[in-house]
Amino acid sequence: DADVTQTPRNRITKTGKRIMLECSQTKGHDRMYWYRQDPGLGLRLIYYSFDVKDINKGEISDGYSVSRQAQAKFSLSLESAIPNQTALYFCATSDSIAGGPNNEQFFGPGTRLTVL
Amino acid sequence: QQPVQSPQAVILREGEDAVINCSSSKALYSVHWYRQKHGEAPVFLMILLKGGEQKGHEKISASFNEKKQQSSLYLTASQLSYSGTYFCGTKRIQGAQKLVFGQGTRLTINP
Repeated sequence: DADVTQTPRNRITKTGKRIMLECSQTKGHDRMYWYRQDPGLGLRLIYYSFDVKDINKGEISDGYSVSRQAQAKFSLSLESAIPNQTALYFCATSDSIAGGPNNEQFFGPGTRLTVL
Repeated sequence: QQPVQSPQAVILREGEDAVINCSSSKALYSVHWYRQKHGEAPVFLMILLKGGEQKGHEKISASFNEKKQQSSLYLTASQLSYSGTYFCGTKRIQGAQKLVFGQGTRLTINP
């Protein structure tokens, strides 16, 4: 079984709809991240969480919100989707115990979101 | 503050060498390299720390020039399996909470 899973894997929705992307992990990591990938722009951080009570904005948090329901679950919501939120979304986890700089990030398989 | 990767894309024949650079205008503490194959998630390759040694993984190695704030990824005798997009992620201080990724370099290896 995959250590980091994302649901759904693909989603097509319409402008104005509320969308939730979910991420679950079985790695036991305390740190979780949501990234957005657009061609030519690389990976951009939306939100990150270092534990259930810790939520932080990333570079591009406008239009998004998150919920850390448990150590293993981190959800990303688009309250009112717009076409320029069409992108590939990745969840990632890392372990703080491994050491400050050595916290390799493990990525989920991604969710391809299309907003019409 | 996003690091700049160069080149943006490169096409090689199998067996040729490639160098991918990651540059920052600010001082860096660490550089993290990831590879993403087409349709897959990014996968960690290696981390280079300020003051650390050059790292290697099979025929892929990397260096970190602190004076230039630049890291270079070296792919020697490239294999078809090396195709993908390579990303560098940077941290400016030891306690930085997040990585800032470059825009990626697409590497295509042809037979």
